[in-house]
Amino acid sequence: QKEVEQNSGPLSVPEGAIASLNCTYSDRVSQSFFWYRQYSGKSPELIMSIYSNGDKEDGRFTAQLNKASQYVSLLIRDSQPSDSATYLCAVSWVNTGFQKLVFGTGTRLLVSP
Amino acid sequence: NAGVTQTPKFQVLKTGQSMTLQCAQDMNHNSMYWYRQDPGMGLRLIYYSASEGTTDKGEVPNGYNVSRLNKREFSLRLESAAPSQTSVYFCASSGDRGRNIQYFGAGTRLSVL
Repeated sequence: QKEVEQNSGPLSVPEGAIASLNCTYSDRVSQSFFWYRQYSGKSPELIMSIYSNGDKEDGRFTAQLNKASQYVSLLIRDSQPSDSATYLCAVSWVNTGFQKLVFGTGTRLLVSP
Repeated sequence: NAGVTQTPKFQVLKTGQSMTLQCAQDMNHNSMYWYRQDPGMGLRLIYYSASEGTTDKGEVPNGYNVSRLNKREFSLRLESAAPSQTSVYFCASSGDRGRNIQYFGAGTRLSVL
């Protein structure tokens, strides 16, 4: 059974701080890794994808992947109250020739003004 | 450009009633998915369709059926609703098998009394 684990939080940070969200996964052959943001009562929205070891930056967001340690993280710089949401980690793996996503249960982030 | 459209947005059913959740995408994507999201459980895959004409079971298929009507549309049917099917249902689609980036609809909030 493929598993993706996240701390449910809430993770509380003050406005302007760096928020660090972490995710571990159980399957060594996973290929693609995603971070989705989900506001309360809304649908998941893709904010970052990463496919190889190292860092990937997009604006205030940085995704970090370490396949040897089986973890992926998301850093949010200069956190804003509008970043308050649940962040879902998703890992893609191949089964019978088709890729599926397995989601973590999400980490709730609260950014206080 | 609507992306992924789900109908209805809200629905209340009595135990034993049937209904069909509709999903349509206008991104010319090959693959479509149905998930349910429950508190503390994350997103769980119910059924998926890798391409037009094919459907397969996901993690939690019991009590559901699906139809891939054409490339655009993928419906989810509850034949005899049960209170355990009270959940938020999301449809998603993806067009890039190599990366499996999935885009989500707004969701259907279903209550079964």
